[in-house]
Amino acid sequence: EVQLVESGGGLVQPGRSLRLSCAASGFTFDDYAMHWVRQGPGKGLEWVSGISWSSGDIIYADSVKGRFTISRDNARNSLYLQMDSLRADDTALYYCVVRGNYYSFHYWGQGTLVTVSS
Amino acid sequence: IVLTQSPGTLSLSPGERATLSCRASQSISGNYLAWYQQKPGQAPRLLIYGASSRVTGIPDRFSGSGSGTDFTLTISRLEPEDFAVYYCQHYGGSPPYGFGQGAKLEIK
Repeated sequence: EVQLVESGGGLVQPGRSLRLSCAASGFTFDDYAMHWVRQGPGKGLEWVSGISWSSGDIIYADSVKGRFTISRDNARNSLYLQMDSLRADDTALYYCVVRGNYYSFHYWGQGTLVTVSS
Repeated sequence: IVLTQSPGTLSLSPGERATLSCRASQSISGNYLAWYQQKPGQAPRLLIYGASSRVTGIPDRFSGSGSGTDFTLTISRLEPEDFAVYYCQHYGGSPPYGFGQGAKLEIK
């Protein structure tokens, strides 16, 4: 059974940093591209960032480019999101996601909540 | 590419047929279009990928169709557990990934 467990969320002041982690199990982690998708309170889904299996290809949404850094450790079956210069509009539930066929998002974690507020 | 879902809210009764639309501002190549279901307090669940391929374990009352700029998710006979929010998602263009704004399917 595929399991994705996010951690690292919390309350942080604007301008500060936070690092999210995602522990993956139940599948061959280094066979798959991984992504972060977020959902603001009461809002829709927003793709944030993605990384290929080898870390050779990394992409970001314009809204986070230059502030967020995605990375992975295949030896630890883990995905990370370093979030710097956080803003109030970064407040959201952050999901760790496995990319599936036809560039869909097949498996989702339960999310970790990030709240940016003074 | 911007995805626009319609209607924003659809009110139907169990047993009825639901048709949800997703229109793209530009043609989506490769049929890189997926559909998700999200219930309150839960993560989204992938239903359809490649515009029309159903994920293993998804009931066959769910079907996807379309190409280019117009895509449809159809639920042939609504069950009580189908009332949720549905999102379409594309790959390609700039930004490389994007979601529609969501469509709420509610019980009439």
